Amino acid sequence: KQEVTQIPAALSVPEGENLVLNCSFTDSAIYNLQWFRQDPGKGLTSLLLIQSSQREQTSGRLNASLDKSSGRSTLYIAASQPGDSATYLCAVNSGTGTASKLTFGTGTRLQVTL
Amino acid sequence: KAGVTQTPRYLIKTRGQQVTLSCSPISGHRSVSWYQQTPGQGLQFLFEYFSETQRNKGNFPGRFSGRQFSNSRSEMNVSTLELGDSALYLCASSLGWETYNEQFFGPGTRLTVL
Repeated sequence: KQEVTQIPAALSVPEGENLVLNCSFTDSAIYNLQWFRQDPGKGLTSLLLIQSSQREQTSGRLNASLDKSSGRSTLYIAASQPGDSATYLCAVNSGTGTASKLTFGTGTRLQVTL
Repeated sequence: KAGVTQTPRYLIKTRGQQVTLSCSPISGHRSVSWYQQTPGQGLQFLFEYFSETQRNKGNFPGRFSGRQFSNSRSEMNVSTLELGDSALYLCASSLGWETYNEQFFGPGTRLTVL
């Protein structure tokens, strides 16, 4: 059974700081890994998708890496801003055949202070 | 391109009642997945539909069911509601042809069971 863990559970940083969020998973047989952002009471916004054959993906100030063999992914946020405050979730896709099934971590709650 | 839409956004029901939630995927997407999010259990996979067929199922009781229509819109039904069914229900759509397709989430339906 796939299990996904995110560390830390909560993080508070001053504006402008670079930060790293961690995600680990127990079964390396994954198709891809997605990082999402969730604002309070809202749905999920997809940030980055890394396919199992890829090592990293970048979008603006965000960079995500994937080490499938060790079951780890990191999300790097450069020059953090107060608008980055949200809960960040990683999810691994370990479906079967053509069927998708995302297993989510419990998230990292990020607060960026002025 | 319009995103994933879910209706209604908020629902209040009493124990024993049943409820139907609706999800309209992104145009051209054939796969719709449903997830339950609670503070205690986090995000958990309910089921996935592709071309009107349930392709994958999570570990939820039979009170939770779904269906998909020929236009890819999906409905989820919960019968005999329990207090523990109070949650944010999220649906996600993807092209669905390959397991590695990116998932896009809707804003969710907040269900409160009294």
